[in-house]
Amino acid sequence: EAGVVQSPRYKIIEKKQPVAFWCNPISGHNTLYWYLQNLGQGPELLIRYENEEAVDDSQLPKDRFSAERLKGVDSTLKIQPAELGDSAVYLCASSSRSYNEQFFGPGTRLTVL
Amino acid sequence: AQSVSQHNHHVILSEAASLELGCNYSYGGTVNLFWYVQYPGQHLQLLLKYFSGDPLVKGIKGFEAEFIKSKFSFNLRKPSVQWSDTAEYFCAVNPLRGGGSQGNLIFGKGTKLSVKP
Repeated sequence: EAGVVQSPRYKIIEKKQPVAFWCNPISGHNTLYWYLQNLGQGPELLIRYENEEAVDDSQLPKDRFSAERLKGVDSTLKIQPAELGDSAVYLCASSSRSYNEQFFGPGTRLTVL
Repeated sequence: AQSVSQHNHHVILSEAASLELGCNYSYGGTVNLFWYVQYPGQHLQLLLKYFSGDPLVKGIKGFEAEFIKSKFSFNLRKPSVQWSDTAEYFCAVNPLRGGGSQGNLIFGKGTKLSVKP
């Protein structure tokens, strides 16, 4: 069974540029999460989807971040415009439903210059 | 707000030494508890989980953890570590009711374990 797939694995951009990350969850997993992980910290939730509905986006900085999960399968997280402080690893995870164990993708390491 | 504390930032051990990593959380209700591990260059993987029942849970690779409800703790243990256990370990809590975070994992900052051969 394939795991959670994320792309790209690495991204380097200049500040004020837009950037997008893509995630394909494990087949059949209805719940999808995007996390932000700064160096030396644990992952912090940005947004949680149940199928195509964003059920918790309280930690998503909506002035520059947006996300979508059309058709309730894969998802895209976008930053526009990127700032220096956005440099971090962006993780995607999925689970069969909330409260169950989550399976994580390899993450996208973003560097903003 | 709910939080998870991991007391040790970096632990260095020799092979065959015993390991205990501390984890405490601040939430008075029912929780699901997890330990995740991240080996160098790899993604986060589940090590073990506690949902209910026996508070002593066993995970992969000889790891175990004990849930002590009265202490809000879920410490990770291994009697004899190996060089291959070198990794970063994250404790995570999923509050089941109330507080606005139910369904979400709240992670600690992680403990880096280095095992000397």
